[in-house]
Amino acid sequence: GDSVTQMEGPVTLSEEAFLTINCTYTATGYPSLFWYVQYPGEGLQLLLKATKADDKGSNKGFEATYRKETTSFHLEKGSVQVSDSAVYFCALRQNTGNQFYFGTGTSLTVIP
Amino acid sequence: NAGVTQTPKFRVLKTGQSMTLLCAQDMNHEYMYWYRQDPGMGLRLIHYSVGEGTTAKGEVPDGYNVSRLKKQNFLLGLESAAPSQTSVYFCASRTPGQPLETQYFGPGTRLLVL
Repeated sequence: GDSVTQMEGPVTLSEEAFLTINCTYTATGYPSLFWYVQYPGEGLQLLLKATKADDKGSNKGFEATYRKETTSFHLEKGSVQVSDSAVYFCALRQNTGNQFYFGTGTSLTVIP
Repeated sequence: NAGVTQTPKFRVLKTGQSMTLLCAQDMNHEYMYWYRQDPGMGLRLIHYSVGEGTTAKGEVPDGYNVSRLKKQNFLLGLESAAPSQTSVYFCASRTPGQPLETQYFGPGTRLLVL
C-alpha cells in the first residue's frame, strides 16, 4: 500500500543554518506530495505541494522537488529562523483517491 | 470564517465511558476526516466522509464510530473508551478539485483515557 517515510528527529539547528528533511514514498502511479507544518498547540497547515514529477513546491523560503526516479520529496531551506521551529510532516495522496498518508513527522528546533 | 473548529479542546475519560467529539467547518467542504496523532506514529486516518450521509473507514477505525448528518459537521464517537485511545484527535476538511487540493485542519482535541 501507499506509505511515506521521513527521517527521524528531532533536529536541532542554529539560526541561519541549512535545513534538509528527507522524505521518501511508496506508491503506485503519480501521487500528489505535500509538506505540512504543525506549530506547537496547533493543527497542521499546508506548507507546500507538488502534483507531478519534477515539480518544485515552494513557500516561505522552503522548497521541495518531486523526484520520481528516487521517489523522494525532500524539504529544504537555505537559512532557518527560530520561528521555523515546528513539526514537519510529509504526505501523499493518490490523485484518484480520498485518503492522505502521512509520515511520522520530524521535529525541528532552531536555536538563536 | 472560523475554518475548522473542534469541541472539546481537552477531555479526561475513565475506561468504559463514552463521548462524542464534534468537528464543524464553515467552508462548505465536501470531504471531512478524523485523524489521531500519536508520538512516533504521525497522523493515522480513523474515518472519513465524502459527503453528507456517507462515511468510510480509514486505517484505524476500530473502537470508533462517526456520523455526518449535516454537511458542516462530522462527529466522532467512542462508545467504550480504552486507554489505547489516549491521543490527540484532529479533524480536517477539503473539497476536491480546488487548486490547492489540500486539507484544512482543526486545532485538535486532546483526550486522556484513564
